Amino acid sequence: AQKVTQAQTEISVVEKEDVTLDCVYETRDTTYYLFWYKQPPSGELVFLIRRNSFDEQNEISGRYSWNFQKSTSSFNFTITASQVVDSAVYFCALSEGNTDKLIFGTGTRLQVFP
Amino acid sequence: DVKVTQSSRYLVKRTGEKVFLECVQDMDHENMFWYRQDPGLGLRLIYFSYDVKMKEKGDIPEGYSVSREKKERFSLILESASTNQTSMYLCASSLELAGDNEQFFGPGTRLTVL
Repeated sequence: AQKVTQAQTEISVVEKEDVTLDCVYETRDTTYYLFWYKQPPSGELVFLIRRNSFDEQNEISGRYSWNFQKSTSSFNFTITASQVVDSAVYFCALSEGNTDKLIFGTGTRLQVFP
Repeated sequence: DVKVTQSSRYLVKRTGEKVFLECVQDMDHENMFWYRQDPGLGLRLIYFSYDVKMKEKGDIPEGYSVSREKKERFSLILESASTNQTSMYLCASSLELAGDNEQFFGPGTRLTVL
């Protein structure tokens, strides 16, 4: 069965701290896709990144970076020098087959205090 | 710019009422999805549709039905609302069946059933 685990329910940091959000997945598929979404207080989920199972290169986008490791079935997300605007719930998700159906983790609520 | 709109941000209904939640996307996407979001459970897929008049059950379809008569519109129907259907409902769309397409989300409808 496919599953996504985000063990951190809530994380609180002070502005400018670095923070890593963990994501562990399970799948039997050899081809799959992993996603991160951000849900700010307004409620609308915003797509952050997509990674396919054949591309283990880490990705950096500004203060955001992602570490994909197939050996540990993890796709972790790091925010460097966090800001108050980063406060949100972050979801990791796994795409099932070729249907675009997503299996979501339970989310990690990040609170960044000034 | 993809836009997914939902008919209401907040809705209050009484037990036993028939409830319609409407979702419209303006980017000619093939796929549309309905999720419910509950604290500690993340997003769970109720139904999805990959074409007009086509639908598939998700993980928690019980108590719900859907309708997709036009490509841009996907409706979620609660035939007889119950208090355990109080939740946040999120609609999403994606381009086509491929597995790697990001989903675009609407702002959500917070439904309270009294």
